[in-house]
Amino acid sequence: NAGVMQNPRHLVRRRGQEARLRCSPMKGHSHVYWYRQLPEEGLKFMVYLQKENIIDESGMPKERFSAEFPKEGPSILRIQQVVRGDSAAYFCASSPSRGAVTEAFFGQGTRLTVV
Amino acid sequence: KNEVEQSPQNLTAQEGEFITINCSYSVGISALHWLQQHPGGGIVSLFMLSSGKKKHGRLIATINIQEKHSSLHITASHPRDSAVYICALLAQGGSEKLVFGKGTKLTVNP
Repeated sequence: NAGVMQNPRHLVRRRGQEARLRCSPMKGHSHVYWYRQLPEEGLKFMVYLQKENIIDESGMPKERFSAEFPKEGPSILRIQQVVRGDSAAYFCASSPSRGAVTEAFFGQGTRLTVV
Repeated sequence: KNEVEQSPQNLTAQEGEFITINCSYSVGISALHWLQQHPGGGIVSLFMLSSGKKKHGRLIATINIQEKHSSLHITASHPRDSAVYICALLAQGGSEKLVFGKGTKLTVNP
């Protein structure tokens, strides 16, 4: 049973480009959480998704950021028109059900660098 | 004031020493999570606590709900314990949003 898989592990984008970060949850997990870790700062919640639904996106920046978790395939965190301040590590975690966030397993993260 | 405060921010120890990392918080919680993050690596869950004490190998986690405080202890520390240790809490009320401390960077020297 593979763990939470994130790809790519490292992503370099020029300012203004789009970044797409993928997260495949553990088998049998239908709930996904995205977190951002800015340099020298703690992790911050971004969004919580269930298959085909956004449950809580209160941590998402209002512009340029979007997330989806389709019925088939991985969850995608999409950042349009990236800026230098988007450079961070983005972590995904998955859990088997609602109310089980503390049982969530984390992926290895995607380190985004905007140049 | 942050909802979650960890201390110390950085900790250097000699191999074999007993380590304590502290986490204080200011809100009512339903659970508290201790996580470990290795340099350049992913995040691993160590403990989930809602009361009392848990032990796993050389790691011990305690929580005092009344004092809103948790500690992570490492006995007989080893260089492979070098990592960032992160406290995260789940506020009461059915939230699914973990709130994280900034982490404690532990370096254990041989």
